[in-house]
Amino acid sequence: QVQLQESGPGLVKPSETLSLTCTVSGDSIISNYWSWIRQPPGRGLEWIAYIYYSGTDNYSPSLKSRVTISGDTSKNQFSLKLSSVTAADTAVYYCARTVAGGFDYWGQGILVTVSS
Amino acid sequence: IVLTQSPGTLSLSPGERATLSCRASQSVSSNFLAWYQQKPGQAPRLLIYGASSRATGIPDRFSGSGSGTDFTLTISRLEPEDFAVYHCQQYGSSPVTFGQGTRLEIK
Repeated sequence: QVQLQESGPGLVKPSETLSLTCTVSGDSIISNYWSWIRQPPGRGLEWIAYIYYSGTDNYSPSLKSRVTISGDTSKNQFSLKLSSVTAADTAVYYCARTVAGGFDYWGQGILVTVSS
Repeated sequence: IVLTQSPGTLSLSPGERATLSCRASQSVSSNFLAWYQQKPGQAPRLLIYGASSRATGIPDRFSGSGSGTDFTLTISRLEPEDFAVYHCQQYGSSPVTFGQGTRLEIK
């Protein structure tokens, strides 16, 4: 069974960099595309970026200047870095497996609050 | 592509039929439109992909239809566990986008 688990700090100060890791079990990250998606409290979903093991990546235009996504095949993990965060970046961050039909497996999500 | 879901909130009773709409600002390529169900405190769950194909393990009371810019999710007979928020998502064009969600609540 495919499982994803997000990890990282739940509190980040304004202007700093948010860093999250997604650990995948039950599948290899070289086998599919993998995405980060976020959801501000009480609001809708926003796709952030995806990565493929070959290094292919794609970013949301609205976040591209601040986002880096990377993968570690040795640990079967992929990561998100979002720089220069503000309160508007407060959200639940999800990692998800990305297939031809959308996002079929999701992590449980991690709430990241941007506050001093 | 901007996706607009309607209604924002739908109030129905168990056993009734639910019809949720998702309208796209431009045609969704190859009808690459998915629907997700999200319950409080949980991650979204994929229900429908390709506008009308049910994901693995999804009951047949859930069905999707539509093409181009207009898509519909229908739940034929509501069960108590179906009351949740439903999101549509298009993956035919980059960037992937989601609708704002429809809340299905018990009347």
